[in-house]
Amino acid sequence: AQSVSQHNHHVILSEAASLELGCNYSYGGTVNLFWYVQYPGQHLQLLLKYFSGDPLVKGIKGFEAEFIKSKFSFNLRKPSVQWSDTAEYFCAVKVRGSTLGRLYFGRGTQLTVWP
Amino acid sequence: GAGVSQTPSNKVTEKGKYVELRCDPISGHTALYWYRQSLGQGPEFLIYFQGTGAADDSGLPNDRFFAVRPEGSVSTLKIQRTERGDSAMYLCASSLRAELDTQYFGPGTRLTVL
Repeated sequence: AQSVSQHNHHVILSEAASLELGCNYSYGGTVNLFWYVQYPGQHLQLLLKYFSGDPLVKGIKGFEAEFIKSKFSFNLRKPSVQWSDTAEYFCAVKVRGSTLGRLYFGRGTQLTVWP
Repeated sequence: GAGVSQTPSNKVTEKGKYVELRCDPISGHTALYWYRQSLGQGPEFLIYFQGTGAADDSGLPNDRFFAVRPEGSVSTLKIQRTERGDSAMYLCASSLRAELDTQYFGPGTRLTVL
């Protein structure tokens, strides 16, 4: 079945550690890729997105993600996390042209950063 | 500017009752989406409106679920004969158009069916 896979369900890091969250998808064709973040008690917010062009995209708060088409991956990275990055992170895929804009989400990764 | 708003923020109902959940999209956004998020899962698509019409309702789980957007702005998700399995967070999102634009999410309505 087509899906979006986030391999890590819960990641625990100390402040200043580096972060990489994996995301793989199985949809064919042209895709748009997103990372959304949900801070405690808040709603989903866009962290970054890839539509076309440079496969390395930069988002807010020092996050970046790299689209590797051959691996169907869109991993999220941050070189040095902060306590305020504690949140749930969702990878999402939009399949261009066929599904009228609906997003397919992974199940999310809970990131906990200890001060 | 104002973001997507949803009311109520919490809804507790009894099995078998009817509920309505409301979504106010960002002004000027023509595309509106409903998603459902169960505990420990990512949001799952329910229905998409472009203007007043439901362009894709293939995510609605069964005919107890229905949504409208009569004037192309506010949308209401309606659930008849609620079941305990309907308990979830219901999220609404809007975007300027559908294909190329970012979806902005509201805070959600937490539905609990007792």
